[in-house]
Amino acid sequence: AQSVTQLDSHVSVSEGTPVLLRCNYSSSYSPSLFWYVQHPNKGLQLLLKYTSAATLVKGINGFEAEFKKSETSFHLTKPSAHMSDAAEYFCVVSDYPLGGNTPLVFGKGTRLSVIA
Amino acid sequence: NAGVTQTPKFRILKIGQSMTLQCTQDMNHNYMYWYRQDPGMGLKLIYYSVGAGITDKGEVPNGYNVSRSTTEDFPLRLELAAPSQTSVYFCASSWPSLRETQYFGPGTRLLVL
Repeated sequence: AQSVTQLDSHVSVSEGTPVLLRCNYSSSYSPSLFWYVQHPNKGLQLLLKYTSAATLVKGINGFEAEFKKSETSFHLTKPSAHMSDAAEYFCVVSDYPLGGNTPLVFGKGTRLSVIA
Repeated sequence: NAGVTQTPKFRILKIGQSMTLQCTQDMNHNYMYWYRQDPGMGLKLIYYSVGAGITDKGEVPNGYNVSRSTTEDFPLRLELAAPSQTSVYFCASSWPSLRETQYFGPGTRLLVL
């Protein structure tokens, strides 16, 4: 069974400084890994995805994540935080390839605050 | 192109009441999903549908029912509301070949008292 652990429930950074949101996963098979972002009072939006291709994945708005199998990690990074990055971020795992009823397993989320 | 729309945005129910949460998508996606999000928790899948007339249970289906008569609509029914169903409910949709890219609605906040 898959599971995902987001190591920080809340991260606070200053505008212009780097962002690191940590995620460890557990999967019996080759995993697919994703990061979703949820802005206040909005639905979730896919930020980036890893599905067994390049281990360094680039997403929208300057975010990227690196799949490290030896560390079972998929941390999300951004070189310079912007005020608009303040949101809730979810790490998500699933088996690859995604079959008809393969579930997406969501982490508990990390709330990112950006201080001016 | 409105994407995924949900109604209502917010609702207060008394214990034992029933209600239907509406979800509509205009992207012609075959797959649709219902999730609930409890405070400080990730999303849990309630039910999903792979096409009109086909639905299946997710991780937390108890206390809910769904139907899918058209590609566009996927309503979620609560028959006997309980305080444990207080949550934010999200509807989502996707293409079968791109299940990881799910498009979410804005959510329905439900409070059961």
